[in-house]
Amino acid sequence: GAVVSQHPSWVICKSGTSVKIECRSLDFQATTMFWYRQFPKQSLMLMATSNEGSKATYEQGVEKDKFLINHASLTLSTLTVTSAHPEDSSFYICSARNPGGGEETQYFGPGTRLLVL
Amino acid sequence: GESVGLHLPTLSVQEGDNSIINCAYSNSASDYFIWYKQESGKGPQFIIDIRSNMDKRQGQRVTVLLNKTVKHLSLQIAATQPGDSAVYFCAESYTGRRALTFGSGTRLQVQP
Repeated sequence: GAVVSQHPSWVICKSGTSVKIECRSLDFQATTMFWYRQFPKQSLMLMATSNEGSKATYEQGVEKDKFLINHASLTLSTLTVTSAHPEDSSFYICSARNPGGGEETQYFGPGTRLLVL
Repeated sequence: GESVGLHLPTLSVQEGDNSIINCAYSNSASDYFIWYKQESGKGPQFIIDIRSNMDKRQGQRVTVLLNKTVKHLSLQIAATQPGDSAVYFCAESYTGRRALTFGSGTRLQVQP
């Protein structure tokens, strides 16, 4: 199957700092990537849809100025958590849609665990 | 609003038995469904998918059944193994929507 990577796998930062998380499709090109957030023992909640070459589409309730998304190439999307606070601590997971695998098939990265102190 | 939910939060089975994980959805427009497996601290792993024009699809040791009449789908795992222990999520989408909506998840525990 298609491979999606994320970096870093975990990060600890101080409150008020910004954190950038990268999502890469390693063996395919993805015009669309998705960012999810998952709190402990809960399901994945879609934050935004990242579109290559255009602005991201955010889900209701997700602050676009706080969660900056950039999809500058067909293999890379980045999520920047600006002015992070302890309540932003979560497991952030990206996925990429592989057109070769079917229109809706999404492959997920391994996730990035963020801890804000 | 649309939602995808699960009947059982935890399922415990004996090794070698068959497992059945259920999922209900509410959006009648949903036409694509996926099952994912998520191990602790990892991202979801694709298991099997099914489109609404089918009611059954089989993979290696797994079968997905879709009942559109009652908006229900299930994942059957044959001869469950300890390595199958994980949280299983169903997810759905519909034509025109590129993102997935996830259910609440079921934890499968396989007892040796």
